[in-house]
Amino acid sequence: KNQVEQSPQSLIILEGKNCTLQCNYTVSPFSNLRWYKQDTGRGPVSLTIMTFSENTKSNGRYTATLDADTKQSSLHITASQLSDSASYICVVSDRGSTLGRLYFGRGTQLTVWP
Amino acid sequence: EADIYQTPRYLVIGTGKKITLECSQTMGHDKMYWYQQDPGMELHLIHYSYGVNSTEKGDLSSESTVSRIRTEHFPLTLESARPSHTSQYLCASSEWNSGSSGSNNEQFFGPGTRLTVL
Repeated sequence: KNQVEQSPQSLIILEGKNCTLQCNYTVSPFSNLRWYKQDTGRGPVSLTIMTFSENTKSNGRYTATLDADTKQSSLHITASQLSDSASYICVVSDRGSTLGRLYFGRGTQLTVWP
Repeated sequence: EADIYQTPRYLVIGTGKKITLECSQTMGHDKMYWYQQDPGMELHLIHYSYGVNSTEKGDLSSESTVSRIRTEHFPLTLESARPSHTSQYLCASSEWNSGSSGSNNEQFFGPGTRLTVL
């Protein structure tokens, strides 16, 4: 069964600190993995996309890693800001259909305190 | 900010009412999707469309229906709302990429409609 598991479920950090969010998946055949940021009451917005051959990708203070062998990904946030408070969702796409079916994790709810 | 819009943003209605959630995108995308999301849970695909006159049911069984008469418009209708329909409904769109199996194409999401059925 194709699944995406994220940890931790929630995380509270102080402004300026770094944090790392984890994603494990069993989706096969694998196409790509995205990290989305979802602010409260808004739709998800893509932060990064990684394909099978990519190990690391950065977008400003966000750095995603992918280990396709162990089927794990992480999202590292550097020097956190209050605006980073949101849910971060790991989304994996399979290669098995033209739809590009997406499998969503439940997200990690990040709260940044001043 | 993606050019995909949903109305209303919030809706509180009584049981038995018929409602239509609107979704429009100005990006010319062929593929459109409807997801249902409950607090702390993953998004579940309830409907999708490959283009005009194409509609398909998603993974999660839903009593709603959709239509795709125009490329930019993908409304979702509930004929008789019930409290179990209370949820957040997210609309999304992406480009069509027929040249590969699977797709790297990003799905752009609307802001969502928060539906509460009393």
